[in-house]
Amino acid sequence: KQEVTQIPAALSVPEGENLVLNCSFTDSAIYNLQWFRQDPGKGLTSLLLIQSSQREQTSGRLNASLDKSSGRSTLYIAASQPGDSATYLCAVSNAGGTSYGKLTFGQGTILTVHP
Amino acid sequence: DGGITQSPKYLFRKEGQNVTLSCEQNLNHDAMYWYRQDPGQGLRLIYYSQIVNDFQKGDIAEGYSVSREKKESFPLTVTSAQKNPTAFYLCASSKLMGPDGNIQYFGAGTRLSVL
Repeated sequence: KQEVTQIPAALSVPEGENLVLNCSFTDSAIYNLQWFRQDPGKGLTSLLLIQSSQREQTSGRLNASLDKSSGRSTLYIAASQPGDSATYLCAVSNAGGTSYGKLTFGQGTILTVHP
Repeated sequence: DGGITQSPKYLFRKEGQNVTLSCEQNLNHDAMYWYRQDPGQGLRLIYYSQIVNDFQKGDIAEGYSVSREKKESFPLTVTSAQKNPTAFYLCASSKLMGPDGNIQYFGAGTRLSVL
Protein backbone atom coordinates (compact mmCIF):
# COMPACT_ATOMS: atom_id res chain seq x y z
CA LYS A 1 0.00 0.00 0.00
CA GLN A 2 1.33 3.38 -1.03
CA GLU A 3 2.12 5.81 1.79
CA VAL A 4 3.05 9.46 1.32
CA THR A 5 4.81 11.54 3.97
CA GLN A 6 5.46 15.28 3.96
CA ILE A 7 8.10 17.08 5.98
CA PRO A 8 7.94 19.49 7.69
CA ALA A 9 4.35 19.53 8.97
CA ALA A 10 4.54 23.31 9.34
CA LEU A 11 6.97 25.99 8.24
CA SER A 12 7.14 29.70 9.02
CA VAL A 13 9.51 31.94 7.05
CA PRO A 14 10.06 35.66 6.50
CA GLU A 15 9.05 37.15 3.19
CA GLY A 16 11.64 36.85 0.43
CA GLU A 17 13.16 33.60 1.63
CA ASN A 18 13.62 30.61 -0.68
CA LEU A 19 12.20 27.39 0.77
CA VAL A 20 11.89 23.66 0.14
CA LEU A 21 9.02 21.35 0.97
CA ASN A 22 9.63 17.62 1.02
CA CYS A 23 7.51 14.65 0.01
CA SER A 24 8.42 10.96 0.19
CA PHE A 25 6.53 7.88 -0.99
CA THR A 26 7.02 4.19 -0.26
CA ASP A 27 6.12 2.59 -3.61
CA SER A 28 8.26 3.88 -6.49
CA ALA A 29 5.94 2.42 -9.18
CA ILE A 30 4.13 5.70 -9.63
CA TYR A 31 2.44 7.09 -12.73
CA ASN A 32 2.92 10.71 -11.72
CA LEU A 33 3.17 13.06 -8.76
CA GLN A 34 1.30 16.29 -8.14
CA TRP A 35 1.68 19.24 -5.83
CA PHE A 36 -1.48 21.02 -4.71
CA ARG A 37 -2.19 24.20 -2.79
CA GLN A 38 -5.10 24.49 -0.33
CA ASP A 39 -6.22 27.75 1.23
CA PRO A 40 -8.06 27.51 4.60
CA GLY A 41 -11.56 26.06 4.20
CA LYS A 42 -11.19 25.78 0.43
CA GLY A 43 -10.68 23.10 -2.19
CA LEU A 44 -7.38 22.16 -3.78
CA THR A 45 -5.63 23.82 -6.70
CA SER A 46 -3.17 21.81 -8.77
CA LEU A 47 0.23 23.55 -8.95
CA LEU A 48 2.50 21.14 -10.78
CA LEU A 49 2.23 17.66 -12.27
CA ILE A 50 5.38 15.58 -12.87
CA GLN A 51 5.08 12.46 -14.99
CA SER A 52 7.11 9.43 -13.86
CA SER A 53 9.49 9.88 -16.81
CA GLN A 54 10.26 13.51 -15.90
CA ARG A 55 12.75 14.88 -13.40
CA GLU A 56 11.24 18.29 -12.75
CA GLN A 57 8.58 20.84 -13.65
CA THR A 58 8.60 24.59 -13.27
CA SER A 59 5.86 27.18 -13.04
CA GLY A 60 6.82 30.74 -12.22
CA ARG A 61 8.51 30.77 -8.80
CA LEU A 62 7.73 27.11 -8.23
CA ASN A 63 9.96 24.19 -9.14
CA ALA A 64 9.14 20.58 -8.36
CA SER A 65 11.61 17.72 -8.71
CA LEU A 66 11.06 13.98 -8.73
CA ASP A 67 13.48 11.17 -7.88
CA LYS A 68 11.48 7.98 -8.38
CA SER A 69 14.24 5.60 -7.37
CA SER A 70 14.60 7.17 -3.93
CA GLY A 71 10.87 7.86 -3.57
CA ARG A 72 11.23 11.61 -3.11
CA SER A 73 9.96 14.88 -4.46
CA THR A 74 10.70 18.45 -3.46
CA LEU A 75 8.78 21.66 -4.07
CA TYR A 76 11.03 24.69 -4.23
CA ILE A 77 9.44 28.13 -3.77
CA ALA A 78 11.63 31.08 -4.69
CA ALA A 79 11.35 34.54 -3.16
CA SER A 80 8.39 33.64 -0.96
CA GLN A 81 5.51 36.10 -0.49
CA PRO A 82 2.76 36.38 2.14
CA GLY A 83 0.30 35.29 -0.56
CA ASP A 84 2.08 31.93 -0.68
CA SER A 85 0.75 31.14 2.80
CA ALA A 86 -1.35 27.98 2.48
CA THR A 87 -1.22 24.22 2.96
CA TYR A 88 0.79 22.39 0.30
CA LEU A 89 -0.15 18.80 -0.44
CA CYS A 90 1.76 16.18 -2.37
CA ALA A 91 -0.10 13.31 -4.06
CA VAL A 92 1.02 10.30 -6.11
CA SER A 93 -0.84 8.19 -8.63
CA ASN A 94 0.11 4.55 -9.01
CA ALA A 95 0.01 3.01 -12.45
CA GLY A 96 -2.21 0.34 -13.85
CA GLY A 97 -5.66 -1.18 -13.94
CA THR A 98 -8.54 0.23 -11.96
CA SER A 99 -6.08 2.15 -9.82
CA TYR A 100 -5.50 4.55 -12.68
CA GLY A 101 -6.37 8.09 -11.60
CA LYS A 102 -6.42 7.33 -7.89
CA LEU A 103 -4.31 9.67 -5.81
CA THR A 104 -2.65 8.99 -2.46
CA PHE A 105 -2.09 12.19 -0.50
CA GLY A 106 0.43 13.26 2.09
CA GLN A 107 -0.81 15.07 5.18
CA GLY A 108 0.42 18.44 3.92
CA THR A 109 2.81 21.18 4.98
CA ILE A 110 1.29 24.35 6.44
CA LEU A 111 3.33 27.29 5.14
CA THR A 112 3.21 30.75 6.70
CA VAL A 113 5.14 33.58 5.07
CA HIS A 114 5.23 36.66 7.31
CA PRO A 115 5.96 40.20 6.10
CA ASP B 1 -17.95 29.14 -15.93
CA GLY B 2 -16.55 25.63 -16.10
CA GLY B 3 -15.89 23.86 -12.86
CA ILE B 4 -17.06 21.71 -10.01
CA THR B 5 -19.88 22.78 -7.74
CA GLN B 6 -20.39 21.28 -4.33
CA SER B 7 -23.43 21.98 -2.18
CA PRO B 8 -24.22 22.78 0.46
CA LYS B 9 -21.15 24.54 1.83
CA TYR B 10 -22.12 23.64 5.40
CA LEU B 11 -24.26 20.70 6.51
CA PHE B 12 -25.42 19.48 9.88
CA ARG B 13 -26.45 15.93 10.56
CA LYS B 14 -28.58 14.63 13.40
CA GLU B 15 -27.81 11.25 14.89
CA GLY B 16 -29.31 8.42 12.85
CA GLN B 17 -29.90 10.60 9.83
CA ASN B 18 -28.65 10.07 6.30
CA VAL B 19 -27.46 13.17 4.48
CA THR B 20 -26.50 13.67 0.84
CA LEU B 21 -23.74 15.91 -0.47
CA SER B 22 -24.06 17.17 -4.00
CA CYS B 23 -21.28 17.35 -6.61
CA GLU B 24 -21.82 18.58 -10.15
CA GLN B 25 -19.23 19.20 -12.88
CA ASN B 26 -19.56 20.80 -16.30
CA LEU B 27 -16.02 19.98 -17.45
CA ASN B 28 -17.16 16.87 -19.37
CA HIS B 29 -14.78 14.79 -17.25
CA ASP B 30 -15.14 11.02 -17.19
CA ALA B 31 -13.88 10.41 -13.67
CA MET B 32 -15.17 11.76 -10.39
CA TYR B 33 -13.93 11.30 -6.84
CA TRP B 34 -14.96 11.87 -3.23
CA TYR B 35 -12.40 12.56 -0.52
CA ARG B 36 -12.61 13.14 3.20
CA GLN B 37 -10.22 15.51 4.97
CA ASP B 38 -9.74 15.59 8.73
CA PRO B 39 -7.81 18.35 10.53
CA GLY B 40 -4.06 18.08 10.03
CA GLN B 41 -4.43 15.16 7.64
CA GLY B 42 -4.27 14.67 3.94
CA LEU B 43 -7.19 13.59 1.81
CA ARG B 44 -8.48 10.04 1.98
CA LEU B 45 -10.41 8.52 -0.92
CA ILE B 46 -13.99 7.43 -0.17
CA TYR B 47 -15.34 6.43 -3.60
CA TYR B 48 -14.48 7.06 -7.23
CA SER B 49 -16.16 6.56 -10.57
CA GLN B 50 -14.56 6.29 -13.98
CA ILE B 51 -17.76 5.89 -16.00
CA VAL B 52 -21.49 6.36 -15.63
CA ASN B 53 -23.27 3.61 -13.64
CA ASP B 54 -19.99 2.28 -12.27
CA PHE B 55 -18.02 3.20 -9.15
CA GLN B 56 -15.32 1.73 -6.93
CA LYS B 57 -14.69 1.81 -3.20
CA GLY B 58 -11.76 3.83 -2.02
CA ASP B 59 -9.83 3.44 1.20
CA ILE B 60 -12.59 4.47 3.63
CA ALA B 61 -15.93 3.57 1.95
CA GLU B 62 -17.66 2.13 5.01
CA GLY B 63 -20.67 4.20 6.05
CA TYR B 64 -20.88 5.99 2.70
CA SER B 65 -22.74 5.36 -0.56
CA VAL B 66 -22.63 6.96 -4.02
CA SER B 67 -24.40 6.87 -7.36
CA ARG B 68 -23.35 7.89 -10.88
CA GLU B 69 -26.50 8.07 -12.97
CA LYS B 70 -25.25 11.03 -15.01
CA LYS B 71 -21.76 11.91 -16.19
CA GLU B 72 -21.89 15.34 -14.57
CA SER B 73 -23.21 14.28 -11.16
CA PHE B 74 -21.72 12.16 -8.35
CA PRO B 75 -23.67 12.57 -5.07
CA LEU B 76 -22.33 11.18 -1.82
CA THR B 77 -24.63 9.92 0.95
CA VAL B 78 -23.28 9.81 4.47
CA THR B 79 -25.34 7.13 6.15
CA SER B 80 -26.16 6.62 9.83
CA ALA B 81 -23.62 3.78 9.79
CA GLN B 82 -20.81 6.36 9.57
CA LYS B 83 -20.17 6.97 13.27
CA ASN B 84 -17.67 9.79 12.88
CA PRO B 85 -18.88 11.87 9.93
CA THR B 86 -17.57 15.27 11.03
CA ALA B 87 -15.06 16.29 8.36
CA PHE B 88 -14.45 18.38 5.27
CA TYR B 89 -15.63 16.57 2.13
CA LEU B 90 -14.07 17.31 -1.26
CA CYS B 91 -15.27 16.25 -4.68
CA ALA B 92 -12.97 16.15 -7.69
CA SER B 93 -13.06 15.23 -11.36
CA SER B 94 -10.52 14.44 -14.06
CA LYS B 95 -10.34 13.57 -17.73
CA LEU B 96 -8.82 10.20 -16.85
CA MET B 97 -7.11 9.71 -20.23
CA GLY B 98 -4.34 11.68 -21.94
CA PRO B 99 -1.15 13.32 -20.62
CA ASP B 100 -3.10 15.54 -18.26
CA GLY B 101 -5.67 12.90 -17.42
CA ASN B 102 -4.46 12.66 -13.85
CA ILE B 103 -4.96 16.32 -13.07
CA GLN B 104 -7.87 16.43 -10.68
CA TYR B 105 -9.98 19.56 -10.34
CA PHE B 106 -11.55 20.12 -6.97
CA GLY B 107 -14.74 21.70 -5.72
CA ALA B 108 -14.80 24.13 -2.78
CA GLY B 109 -15.86 21.45 -0.33
CA THR B 110 -18.69 20.73 2.10
CA ARG B 111 -18.11 20.91 5.84
CA LEU B 112 -20.25 18.34 7.65
CA SER B 113 -20.87 18.53 11.37
CA VAL B 114 -22.90 16.40 13.76
CA LEU B 115 -25.54 18.06 15.93
